[in-house]
Amino acid sequence: AQKITQTQPGMFVQEKEAVTLDCTYDTSDPSYGLFWYKQPSSGEMIFLIYQGSYDQQNATEGRYSLNFQKARKSANLVISASQLGDSAMYFCAMNVQGAQKLVFGQGTRLTINP
Amino acid sequence: DAGITQSPRHKVTETGTPVTLRCHQTENHRYMYWYRQDPGHGLRLIHYSYGVKDTDKGEVSDGYSVSRSKTEDFLLTLESATSSQTSVYFCAISSTGLHEQYFGPGTRLTVT
Repeated sequence: AQKITQTQPGMFVQEKEAVTLDCTYDTSDPSYGLFWYKQPSSGEMIFLIYQGSYDQQNATEGRYSLNFQKARKSANLVISASQLGDSAMYFCAMNVQGAQKLVFGQGTRLTINP
Repeated sequence: DAGITQSPRHKVTETGTPVTLRCHQTENHRYMYWYRQDPGHGLRLIHYSYGVKDTDKGEVSDGYSVSRSKTEDFLLTLESATSSQTSVYFCAISSTGLHEQYFGPGTRLTVT
């Protein structure tokens, strides 16, 4: 079975610093996708970034990048130059080929301090 | 933003009553999903649909049923609500089922 682990329940970072949110995954399937979502205090789920297991390069979307280390089974989210608006819950998720379903981690609450 | 709406957005109901939550999309996406979000558990899949009248169970499907008679609508029914079903329910859609899912605004359900 697929599993996502986020070991950091909460993180506190100073504004403008870079932050790394950890995510490790477990699957025996060679084809899978990894996702990060942001959930601000207003409650909506916002898609941030996607990495496919066969992608050669790490995914980037603006200030977000995904540090994909396949051998370690890790998919950490890196936010550069953090902003106050980055304060939110962040969820890592995974699907596998043919499953059409996402499995989520328990999330990390990120707080950006001014 | 993906066109996904959920109704109602908030509901309080009593134990033992039936409840139906509606998810409506304007994107013509094939896949639709229902998740619940509870503290300490992240999001967990209840049921999903891969086409009209095609549905399958997720990891926490007990006590829930779904129906999809049209591409744009996916209904989640609690036949007899229990206090353990107090949660925030999210609907999501995906065009391929293999890539990103886009989420609705959520429905906060309280069962007293």
